Amino acid sequence: DAGVIQSPRHEVTEMGQEVTLRCKPISGHNSLFWYRQTMMRGLELLIYFNNNVPIDDSGMPEDRFSAKMPNASFSTLKIQPSEPRDSAVYFCASTIKETQYFGPGTRLLVL
Amino acid sequence: RKEVEQDPGPFNVPEGATVAFNCTYSNSASQSFFWYRQDCRKEPKLLMSVYSSGNEDGRFTAQLNRASQYISLLIRDSKLSDSATYLCAVNKRPGAGSYQLTFGKGTKLSVIP
Repeated sequence: DAGVIQSPRHEVTEMGQEVTLRCKPISGHNSLFWYRQTMMRGLELLIYFNNNVPIDDSGMPEDRFSAKMPNASFSTLKIQPSEPRDSAVYFCASTIKETQYFGPGTRLLVL
Repeated sequence: RKEVEQDPGPFNVPEGATVAFNCTYSNSASQSFFWYRQDCRKEPKLLMSVYSSGNEDGRFTAQLNRASQYISLLIRDSKLSDSATYLCAVNKRPGAGSYQLTFGKGTKLSVIP
């Protein structure tokens, strides 16, 4: 198994631009999590899907952030418009029980 | 009190030393606890689960103290390759059938030759 796949691995963009992060969970895993990690705030949960349905999006910072999971093998996290304070590493993780398997992350820098 | 708290460190220890980290949690109803390891510029990876009876895996021992609401990780005979950040994680919504975890900010360990 290839593990959780994320793309792009690095993204540099300018303030105001739209950013789309992609995640392919491990096949058979029915829960998917999006996290953001910064030095100051650590690893923060943004949103959580179970069987493709968003269960808890209370961690989404504001309306500029949105996430979708159209099927069991694909999810996106979109930021529109992006701001410099969105610069962070964004991780996707999938799980079938309690062990979460993380993807390699997307390093986002918003200038 | 924060949901999950860890001493950020860094803990600088010589090779061969024994080192221990603690992690406190605020929700007394929490049932599931984990230690994750994160190498520099990499993703977190599960190191071990923490059971009520404790858990040992080679040089690593994890324990749970429910009365004082903390979990611990003990590393014996430290290796250079143990240098990493160790994150503790606690089930966010115990009993709700949810696998949401709340992570601590991590404790950085540097093992020195």
